[in-house]
Amino acid sequence: AQTVTQSQPEMSVQEAETVTLSCTYDTSESDYYLFWYKQPPSRQMILVIRQEAYKQQNATENRFSVNFQKAAKSFSLKISDSQLGDAAMYFCAYRRMNQFYFGTGTSLTVIP
Amino acid sequence: EAQVTQNPRYLITVTGKKLTVTCSQNMNHEYMSWYRQDPGLGLRQIYYSMNVEVTDKGDVPEGYKVSRKEKRNFPLILESPSPNQTSLYFCASSTHGTGGSQPQHFGDGTRLSIL
Repeated sequence: AQTVTQSQPEMSVQEAETVTLSCTYDTSESDYYLFWYKQPPSRQMILVIRQEAYKQQNATENRFSVNFQKAAKSFSLKISDSQLGDAAMYFCAYRRMNQFYFGTGTSLTVIP
Repeated sequence: EAQVTQNPRYLITVTGKKLTVTCSQNMNHEYMSWYRQDPGLGLRQIYYSMNVEVTDKGDVPEGYKVSRKEKRNFPLILESPSPNQTSLYFCASSTHGTGGSQPQHFGDGTRLSIL
């Protein structure tokens, strides 16, 4: 089975500052997809950003960007200009064909 | 409004009493999936379905059944629930996309407690 590792169970960031959440994964495949999901206290799962493994360019979505290092099997999420509404649990996920694998999550606190 | 609807949102029941958690999507998605979320373990895939009458096991299928008789519905069945199935359950759906590039839309979750 594939594994996705999020080594930071908890992180905190000052409002308006930048924070990076780490994610590594284990795979022998070359064709796959990576996602970051956000889960606020409402427990909804909200897509933040996605990356196709065949694309070298890092994905960006407004204040959210990724650093995708395919050889190192690393997929970190950078949140710029952090806002109070960014406080949530963040999950890294790997998709290969029909199966999804999620990390254990990083709980992000935003300090006013 | 595009959505994935799960019912019930909360359920407390007893060991051995069969239960079904329903999941319905209105986006005409081919792919549907069930997950359970446990503290410290993240989300783990239980079963998934590529289309009507096509289902397959995920990482943690033991103790669960699913069916896909209609494209929009994908119920999760616990025929003899046990306390270790107490968890938060999510249903999700997506289009096929190219090789799986499409993100999933998640339901709001079902909090299941088995005493």
